[in-house]
Amino acid sequence: ETGVTQSPTHLIKTRGQQVTLRCSSQSGHNTVSWYQQALGQGPQFIFQYYREEENGRGNFPPRFSGLQFPNYSSELNVNALELDDSALYLCASSPGLAGVDANTGELFFGEGSRLTVL
Amino acid sequence: LAKTTQPISMDSYEGQEVNITCSHNNIATNDYITWYQQFPSQGPRFIIQGYKTKVTNEVASLFIPADRKSSTLSLPRVSLSDTAVYYCLVGDIEYSGAGSYQLTFGKGTKLSVIP
Repeated sequence: ETGVTQSPTHLIKTRGQQVTLRCSSQSGHNTVSWYQQALGQGPQFIFQYYREEENGRGNFPPRFSGLQFPNYSSELNVNALELDDSALYLCASSPGLAGVDANTGELFFGEGSRLTVL
Repeated sequence: LAKTTQPISMDSYEGQEVNITCSHNNIATNDYITWYQQFPSQGPRFIIQGYKTKVTNEVASLFIPADRKSSTLSLPRVSLSDTAVYYCLVGDIEYSGAGSYQLTFGKGTKLSVIP
C-alpha cells in the first residue's frame, strides 16, 4: 500500500511569489486535507477536498487555494507569499465520504513540504 | 470544541513507562479522545483512540476515567525512538457542511527520551 507522498520536500521562495505544493493520496483514499504547521505549533487546518470539490475550509485567506484531480491527488497553491507563510505544509488523506475514518478518526499524513519565504 | 491541556514537555529515561495526561473538562457526550505522534520533520501519525475505560494496541494504552474529563496515554518501556511530540485531540473531528472533517491540534507534549 502506497502512503501519502508530497513534493517538493523543501523549497525557498521570496515574498510576493507564488508556490504550488503537490500531494498524492494513499491508495484507496478519496479525500485530501491540507494543514499548515508553523515552527513549534501544532498543524492548522487549511481546507479539505472530496471528489474534486472543496468541502471545508479553515481560517485561511483566499490566496490559499487548492485543487483535487480525478485520481484524488491534490495541489495547494499559495499566492502573494508572506514571511509568515514559512511553515511545514502537510497533506493528509483518508477513505470514505466524511474525510476521516469514522471508526478510528484517523488521518494519514505525508511527510510534508517545508516552505521558507525570504 | 473541547479544549485540551497537556504538559508542554516531559523527559524520561529509556526503558521506563511514560504517562502523558491530557485534561479536557468540557468534553461532550459524543466526543472521542484521539492521540497522534509526530517526529521532527514528519507528519503526525495516529496512535490510539478511545471513548471510555481502557484501550490498548501494539503501541500504547489509553486510560479514560469514568467522568472522561481527562485521559492518560501510556507508553510502555520507551526507547530513544519514542522521542516525539504527542498530541491529544478531543471532539475535534468537526463536521461542517457537506461531510467535511478537520482535526484541531494544540501544541502537544514534547517527549524527550534520555539514554
